[in-house]
Amino acid sequence: GAGVSQSPSNKVTEKGKDVELRCDPISGHTALYWYRQSLGQGLEFLIYFQGNSAPDKSGLPSDRFSAERTGGSVSTLTIQRTQQEDSAVYLCASSTGRAGGTGELFFGEGSRLTVL
Amino acid sequence: SQKIEQNSEALNIQEGKTATLTCNYTNYSPAYLQWYRQDPGRGPVFLLLIRENEKEKRKERLKVTFDTTLKQSLFHITASQPADSATYLCALNEAAGNKLTFGGGTRVLVKP
Repeated sequence: GAGVSQSPSNKVTEKGKDVELRCDPISGHTALYWYRQSLGQGLEFLIYFQGNSAPDKSGLPSDRFSAERTGGSVSTLTIQRTQQEDSAVYLCASSTGRAGGTGELFFGEGSRLTVL
Repeated sequence: SQKIEQNSEALNIQEGKTATLTCNYTNYSPAYLQWYRQDPGRGPVFLLLIRENEKEKRKERLKVTFDTTLKQSLFHITASQPADSATYLCALNEAAGNKLTFGGGTRVLVKP
């Protein structure tokens, strides 16, 4: 597709369940980011993938959160044993990742997660 | 600790006036700083980038300045229009990599 695609757009789950959020970046983009945005707040960095390098996981809030990027393309963010405080919009973004590039991010429309 | 601060209060402005938003940062040495626009329920959209060695950048009615001594960027929307109403986010990266960290955003409301 032409842009970053995220699914599902909305997810309602019960506390304690696991959820998976998917991101399809722009074809050819080597950098992929996950951010979390709570209502009325800014973007909280979660994790960053760049090519074949080890991901920067410094923003993951707990060990219940994990992310994978298979084949350098699609990424899945997994939240285990969800808690109510995990409710937020999860945004994925990709960029060309070229050294010395602008690093402009292209965002998807987000996955809104509600934990009951 | 590292901080990126934007005015959390909404900016209400009359159509035709210039809106000025501030982004201040602490304990960063950014290679560049970016500004994004976010509409309700949508992902942010890139607007402008300014590098550490640039003082000012313009794009149509938008102007960004970057003062690495003051550790501040100003974002101006000139001749503002109601369609400019949105939340504006600044983001910066460390020179060492491309990880982008965002400020909390400032909501702008342009009244006709």
